[in-house]
Amino acid sequence: ETGVTQTPRHLVMGMTNKKSLKCEQHLGHNAMYWYKQSAKKPLELMFVYNFKEQTENNSVPSRFSPECPNSSHLFLHLHTLQPEDSALYLCASSRDTYNEQFFGPGTRLTVL
Amino acid sequence: KQEVTQIPAALSVPEGENLVLNCSFTDSAIYNLQWFRQDPGKGLTSLLLIQSSQREQTSGRLNASLDKSSGRSTLYIAASQPGDSATYLCAPLRDSGAGSYQLTFGKGTKLSVIP
Repeated sequence: ETGVTQTPRHLVMGMTNKKSLKCEQHLGHNAMYWYKQSAKKPLELMFVYNFKEQTENNSVPSRFSPECPNSSHLFLHLHTLQPEDSALYLCASSRDTYNEQFFGPGTRLTVL
Repeated sequence: KQEVTQIPAALSVPEGENLVLNCSFTDSAIYNLQWFRQDPGKGLTSLLLIQSSQREQTSGRLNASLDKSSGRSTLYIAASQPGDSATYLCAPLRDSGAGSYQLTFGKGTKLSVIP
């Protein structure tokens, strides 16, 4: 256990659905991240939050909408996704953005 | 833009062998570098973090080295075991601007240790 939990672990959704991914960290960290891992591609950073403020958005389509209500929780709201958005979505946290990152187990998303 | 290359892409060794995984990166202005392992369909487990001012970092049977000026890092695994079978990922951290830092990942080396 890394101290970072993600729910749900698996999600299947249609292109017109709206769903949310949840991440929670129990490490007292201030920075949280969303990454996308597609087959045969390196992990891609999507969003960074530091002290609840978004500091990075790596040109992510607006159909992905992050929310960070406090330093322990991070959400990724999904709507009108495409089949190519099917991937493993990983959440991570760190004490600050230059410290060691700890990852959750991921949510396996399938878009039909 | 940082680019990370890991060689080899896959490696199969008999149990007990020592092995070296290689990582190279294009932008040497890094703050630190992390090595992770990933089991199939799972999240990442942090193995070692090596600061840019360090040359080596050790944890148990694992030893990571860093040559920042040449943009290279290696992960040495001693006396490999079947439980070491996983994909190993290298990720240097650099300042992306305005005081924000980002990890950039390679595609990984898939290691299989044969009993």
